Amino acid sequence: SQQGEEDPQALSIQEGENATMNCSYKTSINNLQWYRQNSGRGLVHLILIRSNEREKHSGRLRVTLDTSKKSSSLLITASRAADTASYFCAYLGRSSNTGKLIFGQGTTLQVKP
Amino acid sequence: SQTIHQWPATLVQPVGSPLSLECTVEGTSNPNLYWYRQAAGRGLQLLFYSVGIGQISSEVPQNLSASRPQDRQFILSSKKLLLSDSGFYLCAWSRVNGQRRGELFFGEGSRLTVL
Repeated sequence: SQQGEEDPQALSIQEGENATMNCSYKTSINNLQWYRQNSGRGLVHLILIRSNEREKHSGRLRVTLDTSKKSSSLLITASRAADTASYFCAYLGRSSNTGKLIFGQGTTLQVKP
Repeated sequence: SQTIHQWPATLVQPVGSPLSLECTVEGTSNPNLYWYRQAAGRGLQLLFYSVGIGQISSEVPQNLSASRPQDRQFILSSKKLLLSDSGFYLCAWSRVNGQRRGELFFGEGSRLTVL
């Protein structure tokens, strides 16, 4: 299966702590993306990192990409209760001409106030 | 700006009844369009994608079908629903070209319960 894999499946932390989620994939990629999903809602794009990039920041989000290990991580710093959601990684294969993203199973993050 | 509309938001249907979920995109042209299904607590399963009017690719064989009658309209259908069709259905679009190629913009989803 080409599906991405994420760990942990679930993560529970206290407000103010950092949250780290990891994603692994199996093929060469064009880019890798992270999405957030609040319960019962659609997914919202957070950040995109291209295959020639190693690190990217957006506010309290930091994404790293290691193409040699075929892995990525999402770090949320100084977490807030409002960060409680599911987070998904998704990658676009290098040879894709259809824009199809392959999604991981997601990490459910709970931030306790 | 671009927006995506998906409806209905919630529906409860008996087994064997037909289904029609509709999705429209505004503010862009010739998008790639996608239908995903998400089972409870799980990741996303790509059902169909379309790169143009009348062009539909199926990822998972099942009793669902998709159609793209207009450039920015994507419809998910079934003639006879099964219990296993229950789930959360998400429509999404992406740009065809550019640096942000492949970035998906999702609708708010349609929760289907088949009884």
